[in-house]
Amino acid sequence: NAGVTQTPKFQVLKTGQSMTLQCAQDMNHEYMSWYRQDPGMGLRLIHYSVGAGITDQGEVPNGYNVSRSTTEDFPLRLLSAAPSQTSVYFCASSYASALNTEAFFGQGTRLTVV
Amino acid sequence: AQKITQTQPGMFVQEKEAVTLDCTYDTSDQSYGLFWYKQPSSGEMIFLIYQGSYDEQNATEGRYSLNFQKARKSANLVISASQLGDSAMYFCAMREAKGAGGTSYGKLTFGQGTILTVHP
Repeated sequence: NAGVTQTPKFQVLKTGQSMTLQCAQDMNHEYMSWYRQDPGMGLRLIHYSVGAGITDQGEVPNGYNVSRSTTEDFPLRLLSAAPSQTSVYFCASSYASALNTEAFFGQGTRLTVV
Repeated sequence: AQKITQTQPGMFVQEKEAVTLDCTYDTSDQSYGLFWYKQPSSGEMIFLIYQGSYDEQNATEGRYSLNFQKARKSANLVISASQLGDSAMYFCAMREAKGAGGTSYGKLTFGQGTILTVHP
């Protein structure tokens, strides 16, 4: 089973560049989300989606865009990269209809903005 | 205010001993779920254990158990018989029931994490 596939694994960007982090899941999960992980701050929610065509902001959405055109895919776009966006990014997916449903995570993307 | 608080940035334990990782949470919902995830140095997130707010018994999964004290709003992870492979970052997370009819939309809120080091 592929689960959640997240690409790329590593990326270096220059300040001002844009890029898209890809996330795809094959479990027919309604809910998908993007987190960033920074030392001492745990994982913070950037954006999430409860289904195709529906997205919403999380705790730290500034500088990021998302779209959900299909159930499977949930790309995260950095519009104009800044050094403050240097972080490890995780995509996660889960069913949306039960509290006890486990969230499945991608392998993470380590992004450095110079 | 922090919804999930893990007050131990780092913990050390001797191999084969038990260790408790602390987690307190804050919610006004009656219905919620608590999760623990493990993140080894390789970076992946591994689900360990789940406790529902209405579960009367503490959750257990192999060497992992969750010491759930609802009145104190704590959900501590207990790892028994620690192994070297348990060395990792551990995250506590909460999902609150939101939306019409208490439907959960999957949102997880994480704590800051605790780095556990197991000594041989």
